Amino acid sequence: AQTVTQSQPEMSVQEAETVTLSCTYDTSESDYYLFWYKQPPSRQMILVIRQEAYKQQNATENRFSVNFQKAAKSFSLKISDSQLGDAAMYFCAFSTNKLIFGTGTLLAVQP
Amino acid sequence: EAGVTQFPSHSVIEKGQTVTLRCDPISGHDNLYWYRRVMGKEIKFLLHFVKESKQDESGMPNNRFLAERTGGTYSTLKVQPAELEDSGVYFCASSRYTIYEQYFGPGTRLTVT
Repeated sequence: AQTVTQSQPEMSVQEAETVTLSCTYDTSESDYYLFWYKQPPSRQMILVIRQEAYKQQNATENRFSVNFQKAAKSFSLKISDSQLGDAAMYFCAFSTNKLIFGTGTLLAVQP
Repeated sequence: EAGVTQFPSHSVIEKGQTVTLRCDPISGHDNLYWYRRVMGKEIKFLLHFVKESKQDESGMPNNRFLAERTGGTYSTLKVQPAELEDSGVYFCASSRYTIYEQYFGPGTRLTVT
């Protein structure tokens, strides 16, 4: 079975600091995508970053970057220069078609 | 380009009643997915349409749930009769291609009392 594990239910970071959210997954597939989605309070879930499993280079999107370790099946998200607007629930997801989600990490950003 | 829309945003019904949720995907997206998040747990896949055909309905919990996508446009998810454990947030997502990134709607919060 394919599973996604987020071991940090809650995290907190000071504004302007860096935080890393952890995610591990389990699959026997070799071709897949990994995603981080963000859901701000009472708002729509939006895609933060995407990683193709066949790519060795880690994806980056502005202040967001990932550390993709395929052999270890690890896919962590690093948020640099944290801003108040980064406060949200973050979901790690795995996909060969349908998305399989982790339980989420609630990130608080302290001013 | 309009995003994925869902209606209603919130529905409160009594156990045994029927509720129909609607999802309008992004125009041109053949793939439409339904997910739900129950009791603060992980978001779980329900089913996947490619145009009007059900590609994968392995996540549908039981036969009280019926999903349709007439004409390959909008989709409805009917729960009949609703049970207490059906309470949660139902998300719809669409994508142009499978395995690619999915765009989510705001969700419908269903409360069964």
